[in-house]
Amino acid sequence: SAVISQKPSRDICQRGTSLTIQCQVDSQVTMMFWYRQQPGQSLTLIATANQGSEATYESGFVIDKFPISRPNLTFSTLTVSNMSPEDSSIYLCSVELPKVGVRYEQYFGPGTRLTVT
Amino acid sequence: DAKTTQPTSMDCAEGRAANLPCNHSTISGNEYVYWYRQIHSQGPQYIIHGLKNNETNEMASLIITEDRKSSTLILPHATLRDTAVYYCIVSLTGNQFYFGTGTSLTVIP
Repeated sequence: SAVISQKPSRDICQRGTSLTIQCQVDSQVTMMFWYRQQPGQSLTLIATANQGSEATYESGFVIDKFPISRPNLTFSTLTVSNMSPEDSSIYLCSVELPKVGVRYEQYFGPGTRLTVT
Repeated sequence: DAKTTQPTSMDCAEGRAANLPCNHSTISGNEYVYWYRQIHSQGPQYIIHGLKNNETNEMASLIITEDRKSSTLILPHATLRDTAVYYCIVSLTGNQFYFGTGTSLTVIP
């Protein structure tokens, strides 16, 4: 299994500012993922972050708005830039781990609840 | 985009089996069906997955139709702690997930 922590757990930010969310996992993983969950909605994949390469963004998400770093195999950051109230969401990171008999299992962090005023 | 459709909500009596359906009519031959659940304010939790055969683990059973166009997650004896949103996901890679709207399951005492 994997233990994933995220910092901060929640924050209230003013529009126009930026927030960097940290994701730390207790084992080395190749692939990390960032998701957004808007209020009352399902999860939407933002990007895939592999160590040593540029993050791959899904349609509708751009690097200038959501820059991602992946400096090593246990850590990643997601920055929400120039925030507006529409960015108010829960942001979750996840990792993929191989598991005997399962193929792969994806573990999710607890999420960062962001409110933009 | 999500390739699954699920009922928006369902109720189940405590102790009864909860049967959650999922349609995935456009599934391709190499895509797996995954089920995750999200309890309020937590990250999604893996439940089970399958390709063609029915699967069972300590949490649930997964029944996949022969044509693979639909599946059913079965929680054999639902408890109040099973109240959550259940997501059915079709994925080739098992990691990049495109979540649908999910089913909000309420277990009633």
